[in-house]
Amino acid sequence: QSVLTQPPSASGTPGQRITISCSGSSSNIGTNTVNWYQQLPGTAPKLLIYSNNQRPSGVPDRFSGSKSGTSASLAISGLQSEDEADYYCATWNDSLNGYVFGTGTKVTVL
Amino acid sequence: QVQLQESGPGLVKPSETLSLTCSVSGFSISSGYYWGWIRQPPGKGLEWIGSIYHSGSTYYNPSVKSRVTISVDTSKNQFSLRLSSVTAADTAVYYCARLAVAGHFDYWGQGALVTVSS
Repeated sequence: QSVLTQPPSASGTPGQRITISCSGSSSNIGTNTVNWYQQLPGTAPKLLIYSNNQRPSGVPDRFSGSKSGTSASLAISGLQSEDEADYYCATWNDSLNGYVFGTGTKVTVL
Repeated sequence: QVQLQESGPGLVKPSETLSLTCSVSGFSISSGYYWGWIRQPPGKGLEWIGSIYHSGSTYYNPSVKSRVTISVDTSKNQFSLRLSSVTAADTAVYYCARLAVAGHFDYWGQGALVTVSS
């Protein structure tokens, strides 16, 4: 039972723009930066976005992150077939004194 | 290039203790950073287990705090996970990862599947 809620699934056609939401509270997203991880099938998670909107070296600028209040979003523009994966938001939770992951969103490219 | 590799038994009996080690290369644990363990039950999401600093300071997920110990061996550039009294619910892929200062896991191991079964 994660404290960060994401939609179970999202989909789009190649070239489309999709967004994934991550809803939290004042104990987590409201006071800490948000990170996003991409997990391709059968592989370890990979850091996609950190500190709300920063991309690690090598991550295409098609991926962008934002945060407002107690929610965050990941946008994927110019959707590609290789973007089919599970995506997780994550942040520190002050009341739990621990790191929390979102429930995860499976992205399908139609 | 920072690399992490998990190792340990792939099968553990119920009520016994799960033990995994994460070997780090390309970076000295003594140089700083927190290091963590994350697990993923088959077909489910990610769960943070806990993190340790090179000095030995730890943070644990309250859901497993009574059963978990994370330790570090800077001489071997490794850190380890011990989870006691395991049940089938502890069956998962266990990942080790480096926790950057800004609070994100930037380098991950490939993961190790641990099955709890008699």
